[in-house]
Amino acid sequence: EIVLTQSPGTLSLSPGERATLSCRASQSVSNNYLAWYQQKPGQAPRLLIYGASTRATGIPDRFSGSGSGTDFTLTISRLEPEDFAVYYCHQYDISPRTFGQGTKVEIK
Amino acid sequence: QVQLVQSGAEVKQPGASVRISCKASGYIFTTYTIHWVRQAPGQRLEWMGWINAGNGDTRYSQKFQGRVTITRDTSASTAYMELNSLRSEDTAVYYCARSQTGRELDYWGQGTLVTVSS
Repeated sequence: EIVLTQSPGTLSLSPGERATLSCRASQSVSNNYLAWYQQKPGQAPRLLIYGASTRATGIPDRFSGSGSGTDFTLTISRLEPEDFAVYYCHQYDISPRTFGQGTKVEIK
Repeated sequence: QVQLVQSGAEVKQPGASVRISCKASGYIFTTYTIHWVRQAPGQRLEWMGWINAGNGDTRYSQKFQGRVTITRDTSASTAYMELNSLRSEDTAVYYCARSQTGRELDYWGQGTLVTVSS
């Protein structure tokens, strides 16, 4: 199975700052079948990015995804108060589908 | 609007079974796949399996093979996940989620907490 490793584990930033989250796959993810989700306490994950770089419906353009193969990045250009949450990457290329362990973006 | 509404929290004893439902609305149920994903306390999300709501085909993670069964009732636009031989490590929030075949999970249910305890 494809193991996804996210870094850093925790990112401490202030509103207005830029956040850069990394997701590394243990083998190449074909077709860029890599998604990013945001999860807040007590809530279900919310789709942000799919196909490595396509924003889901209704997602603000401060969220962007990039990368291919084994290295992927989620960037939040300017953090808003509602962006402090846990972010997961997810590969849906090869079964079993797998998720990263998450990056927590917290208020500094 | 698309909604996936799951059944309520469950408390089960070790060795028992649990069945969770996921009722879909706002789209044509049979044109999408329903997945089940769980999240144990402090753990990453873990994919369990899917069902093609149109033809009923299923696929399960090898980790849960033999212990999980996913079914659907097209007349009720509802999918079900049954997990048998429960143990304490199965304590988790279980989510259903929708995808087009082979694609990203775009809508999720609200989650169902299953607690396994004697």
